Amino acid sequence: DQQVKQNSPSLSVQEGRISILNCDYTNSMFDYFLWYKKYPAEGPTFLISISSIKDKNEDGRFTVFLNKSAKHLSLHIVPSQPGDSAVYFCAARWNTGNQFYFGTGTSLTVIP
Amino acid sequence: DVKVTQSSRYLVKRTGEKVFLECVQDMDHENMFWYRQDPGLGLRLIYFSYDVKMKEKGDIPEGYSVSREKKERFSLILESASTNQTSMYLCAMSGLNTEAFFGQGTRLTVV
Repeated sequence: DQQVKQNSPSLSVQEGRISILNCDYTNSMFDYFLWYKKYPAEGPTFLISISSIKDKNEDGRFTVFLNKSAKHLSLHIVPSQPGDSAVYFCAARWNTGNQFYFGTGTSLTVIP
Repeated sequence: DVKVTQSSRYLVKRTGEKVFLECVQDMDHENMFWYRQDPGLGLRLIYFSYDVKMKEKGDIPEGYSVSREKKERFSLILESASTNQTSMYLCAMSGLNTEAFFGQGTRLTVV
């Protein structure tokens, strides 16, 4: 059973606009959430994370929002750039656990 | 700079062959993972290890085994490769409270 879900397989956005990628989770024990970016034929690279004690974390153009009551998180990219075109994976873990649970990914295309 | 190194970027093997995928990390971290990535299915955990000689099954362990004899090295073994094991294989490692760091991936084709 998929505990982390990304319901949008793909997203297209114009360069300069905002990209919003969404992620839902089912396990209320998760308390650490991450976003990864993956280019074809490469391994995923860590982008940004958020702990469950926060509801927002920013790093440059990237902001992650966490809504614990809705079990939902989102990644905002502003402004979007063509180099942001990649597959984005959402992941979650609980504090005492070793394992990361990944979503199925959203393929973002930023159109110049 | 954190490094997770997978032994091969691309591999082509025949059905029935025994295949070894090697992964080495340079951070002395406890946890190491093997995932496979397939279109529409995301990253699925095959096995992980939280210490030397320790292993736990992930979501899809069938047809695979692993070995961790040294802390820095985690090997994935396909006992008898089949065409449905054609995939991108990703090794990762993490510390106790860190994010996961991934290797560059191995694209395995079984013919």
